[in-house]
Amino acid sequence: GAGVSQSPSNKVTEKGKDVELRCDPISGHTALYWYRQSLGQGLEFLIYFQGNSAPDKSGLPSDRFSAERTGGSVSTLTIQRTQQEDSAVYLCASSATSGSLETQYFGPGTRLLVL
Amino acid sequence: GQNIDQPTEMTATEGAIVQINCTYQTSGFNGLFWYQQHAGEAPTFLSYNVLDGLEEKGRFSSFLSRSKGYSYLLLKELQMKDSASYLCAVRDLGEGGGNKLTFGTGTQLKVEL
Repeated sequence: GAGVSQSPSNKVTEKGKDVELRCDPISGHTALYWYRQSLGQGLEFLIYFQGNSAPDKSGLPSDRFSAERTGGSVSTLTIQRTQQEDSAVYLCASSATSGSLETQYFGPGTRLLVL
Repeated sequence: GQNIDQPTEMTATEGAIVQINCTYQTSGFNGLFWYQQHAGEAPTFLSYNVLDGLEEKGRFSSFLSRSKGYSYLLLKELQMKDSASYLCAVRDLGEGGGNKLTFGTGTQLKVEL
């Protein structure tokens, strides 16, 4: 079916506001990953879901960041009290399983700008 | 920790061959991936290596030497549409069994006439 989709494509917000970013993985993919790509930086791992649980949250930069996944499908990344340094492209990826041979397929990302 | 290095920029001529190198120093290793990313678009999977040696997929080949912490992506018969950023990523087993990718900053390839 369709690839990974993310919404919104672009988000401009004011410092201090909360934002929610959505990811729809490829249908049937059980593993879901969030990454962040800041200007001039490589993609940075944030969090990993297997089903609805998040066994690896080690990349979340602060407690202002949280994520959830429901129904083993859609995931939402929430950033509370946004700061200017949160401005980046937030990318979601999914894979069929978390097995060692599985490839991660990326969505187009959400470009977040915090003013 | 994880450290992945690749050149920032490269320029090559249409029809030519280009090799993009990647070196890594990582605490764990479970495969090396190459992705292509056009500006404003999602990274798209090109190839991966788990064992040493060369993997060939059409115009793209990728090589891995685990003992040297070194990989390269070889692009043959370059086309203008190959102008993009090429991302080297090392996969490692994260907490809970997930396969987290650690990326380099990418090599911006410009293909000229």
